[in-house]
Amino acid sequence: DAGVIQSPRHEVTEMGQEVTLRCKPISGHDYLFWYRQTMMRGLELLIYFNNNVPIDDSGMPEDRFSAKMPNASFSTLKIQPSEPRDSAVYFCASNRREGVAEAFFGQGTRLTVV
Amino acid sequence: GEDVEQSLFLSVREGDSSVINCTYTDSSSTYLYWYKQEPGAGLQLLTYIFSNMDMKQDQRLTVLLNKKDKHLSLRIADTQTGDSAIYFCAEILSGGATNKLIFGTGTLLAVQP
Repeated sequence: DAGVIQSPRHEVTEMGQEVTLRCKPISGHDYLFWYRQTMMRGLELLIYFNNNVPIDDSGMPEDRFSAKMPNASFSTLKIQPSEPRDSAVYFCASNRREGVAEAFFGQGTRLTVV
Repeated sequence: GEDVEQSLFLSVREGDSSVINCTYTDSSSTYLYWYKQEPGAGLQLLTYIFSNMDMKQDQRLTVLLNKKDKHLSLRIADTQTGDSAIYFCAEILSGGATNKLIFGTGTLLAVQP
């Protein structure tokens, strides 16, 4: 397996534009997590899914953020409209809830909103 | 609360030992983890400890767990410049369908040659 795949790696967009981040988890993993990393706030859990169903979205900052998982191999995180304070690195991770339950991370998407 | 706390920064000289500390929140966590993040990359699992253990040693790494105080530490012996990275402790808040993987704030380890 190629690991967790995120796209794009870098995104620069203007304030007010819609941004869509994409993630392909590892095959067979039934949990998928979206995190946001900034210098000020560290690594924040935004939302996570189990078997494509959102379990906890309490970390989503506001209504401008939405996430979907239409099938076991694909998830999106959308920001509409984007604001400069959304600039961060967004990570997707996946795992199976058994044994050590190691989480595997994608390389992240660095989002810059100007 | 769900905050997992760590000190933000640690600087050591090459060859010295590094100790990174963490306090976590959920006493029912089955495993506690240390992840490493190198520049420009995602996090990778470095080591973990089962909650019924006090200590785990893995080559240069030693993990100590104090469940009473909810304190976790990572010791790196003979620290090398390649160990420079951000280190995160993590726990899973579990129960039912819950599998909430929570990370600490991260500790930036800078190794001086």
